[in-house]
Amino acid sequence: DAGVIQSPRHEVTEMGQEVTLRCKPISGHDYLFWYRQTMMRGLELLIYFNNNVPIDDSGMPEDRFSAKMPNASFSTLKIQPSEPRDSAVYFCASSLVGGPRGTIYFGEGSWLTVV
Amino acid sequence: DAKTTQPTSMDCAEGRAANLPCNHSTISGNEYVYWYRQIHSQGPQYIIHGLKNNETNEMASLIITEDRKSSTLILPHATLRDTAVYYCIAPSWGKFQFGAGTQVVVTP
Repeated sequence: DAGVIQSPRHEVTEMGQEVTLRCKPISGHDYLFWYRQTMMRGLELLIYFNNNVPIDDSGMPEDRFSAKMPNASFSTLKIQPSEPRDSAVYFCASSLVGGPRGTIYFGEGSWLTVV
Repeated sequence: DAKTTQPTSMDCAEGRAANLPCNHSTISGNEYVYWYRQIHSQGPQYIIHGLKNNETNEMASLIITEDRKSSTLILPHATLRDTAVYYCIAPSWGKFQFGAGTQVVVTP
């Protein structure tokens, strides 16, 4: 089975530009998570969805960040406008069963550099 | 999520068992304990999880104390490829929040 697929794997963009990160979860999984990882803050949960509906977005840093899940096989994380402090690795993950028994599986990450 | 506490780092000799402790004294009755690891530059990888009983799979063993306030991940024969950050998590209702984890370095 294909795992969680993220694109792009690497992106370098200029400050002020819009950035869109994409994620295809594992087929059949009903939970989708977006994380951000930096050296300073570690691995932070930004938002997660259940059956395409956002459940908890309390980790989204500010209004410049938005996430959507238009269908069960696709999600986007958008940053507009981007800033240098947004440079990080962004991970998408999915799980089949929510709640305490749901094991999550991660993609390889999207490495974002904002200059 | 139940708060988990792990040592910042530990070293292990290649071929020896690595025992990674985790405290989760506020865990509730239905919260599982999960272990993940992250090798540099890769996405976190699932290792094992458990509720009350000890668990074993091809990667590791998980020992959970009877009161469920702590657990230990055991890598039975550590190899250099086991060098990674190991995370202990007790998620509530699917919300997986990662702490700082334990940096494990396996040395020859």
